[in-house]
Amino acid sequence: DGGITQSPKYLFRKEGQNVTLSCEQNLNHDAMYWYRQDPGQGLRLIYYSQIVNDFQKGDIAEGYSVSREKKESFPLTVTSAQKNPTAFYLCASSISGLDLTYGYTFGSGTRLTVV
Amino acid sequence: GDSVTQMEGPVTLSEEAFLTINCTYTATGYPSLFWYVQYPGEGLQLLLKATKADDKGSNKGFEATYRKETTSFHLEKGSVQVSDSAVYFCALSDQGNTPLVFGKGTRLSVIA
Repeated sequence: DGGITQSPKYLFRKEGQNVTLSCEQNLNHDAMYWYRQDPGQGLRLIYYSQIVNDFQKGDIAEGYSVSREKKESFPLTVTSAQKNPTAFYLCASSISGLDLTYGYTFGSGTRLTVV
Repeated sequence: GDSVTQMEGPVTLSEEAFLTINCTYTATGYPSLFWYVQYPGEGLQLLLKATKADDKGSNKGFEATYRKETTSFHLEKGSVQVSDSAVYFCALSDQGNTPLVFGKGTRLSVIA
């Protein structure tokens, strides 16, 4: 079955360490997205990529970095510059970044806890 | 900028009650509108969508109508079940070609 896989489901890191969250899709979707979810805040866009080797900052990109070397993969690195990294991170994809009338397919999320 | 406003929760209903979750939006262009549902510890699933005025999206007994004149996309269900307990998110994509903007979510609890 096609879908989006995020791993790991739970991740613990010490303060000051960089950490990379994995997102892989086998839907042949062109566009991929990273959102952060905090209680009572809804989803906020971190980065998105409409095509391989290209990506754009979202509303809260500071302290995060991404790469898009393959169509299937869009890893997110949470750097030590991110002031409050503990959150639930959601990856999503869409058929095209230029036609979102079908919406997104989401992964099951990674809960990052920084101690 | 674009924004979505949902009624604050939590909403608690008895089984078989009627559900309405209000959603209004602000967009610079002509948006596509969505409702997503999130079960505990999971990602979001698309529940229904509408891409033009007066369109009605429907799925699993849920419905929402795109009202351009009131910039609204309220979610309704005639008879809720315990299994409908989840968080519901309203979202838009301006012109149908920009990343989705989400509301803050409304938690629904249905009790037997």
